[in-house]
Amino acid sequence: DVKVTQSSRYLVKRTGEKVFLECVQDMDHENMFWYRQDPGLGLRLIYFSYDVKMKEKGDIPEGYSVSREKKERFSLILESASTNQTSMYLCASSFGASSTDTQYFGPGTRLTVL
Amino acid sequence: GENVEQHPSTLSVQEGDSAVIKCTYSDSASNYFPWYKQELGKRPQLIIDIRSNVGEKKDQRIAVTLNKTAKHFSLHITETQPEDSAVYFCAAKKGGTSYGKLTFGQGTILTVHP
Repeated sequence: DVKVTQSSRYLVKRTGEKVFLECVQDMDHENMFWYRQDPGLGLRLIYFSYDVKMKEKGDIPEGYSVSREKKERFSLILESASTNQTSMYLCASSFGASSTDTQYFGPGTRLTVL
Repeated sequence: GENVEQHPSTLSVQEGDSAVIKCTYSDSASNYFPWYKQELGKRPQLIIDIRSNVGEKKDQRIAVTLNKTAKHFSLHITETQPEDSAVYFCAAKKGGTSYGKLTFGQGTILTVHP
């Protein structure tokens, strides 16, 4: 069974703080993704990575950065948290070969920025 | 880039009725269309998917249909049960070197009343 874990289920931070969200997968997946989920807006892609140290912007990268130093770990960084970044953050991973496109999601981190 | 529109945003049915959720996509190069189910407080999980070389796929009470010409695909749930209550997301993936990137619809909140 694929396992995708996220470092925290709930997080409360103050405006201006630097925030790290971590995601780990145990299936040797090539691709990893960070989404934010807001009611009525679905899942919006922030950044993704297709290999160690490789990253690509998604649809809403502003205010975020990412790091992938090891294949199994993908971190999302909020350099200076703002209240409009209060959201549910979901990490996902997928194998990488086009024949197996299934994305497996982590449990999510609900971030509140005060 | 790809744009996926999903309707309706909310759907309420009586137990035993059928439910249909529809999605349209904009990029004719998209070739993979998964559906995810997210129960309250849980992570999204793949329930069914379809590729562009297939028009319909069934798995017990759920089915997905794809019309490539019209660029729309639909999820059909028959004999609905209260445990089908969840948020459902459609998604589309472009062919070629897309690194498994999915574009999601806005989500449909399905409520099945006993």
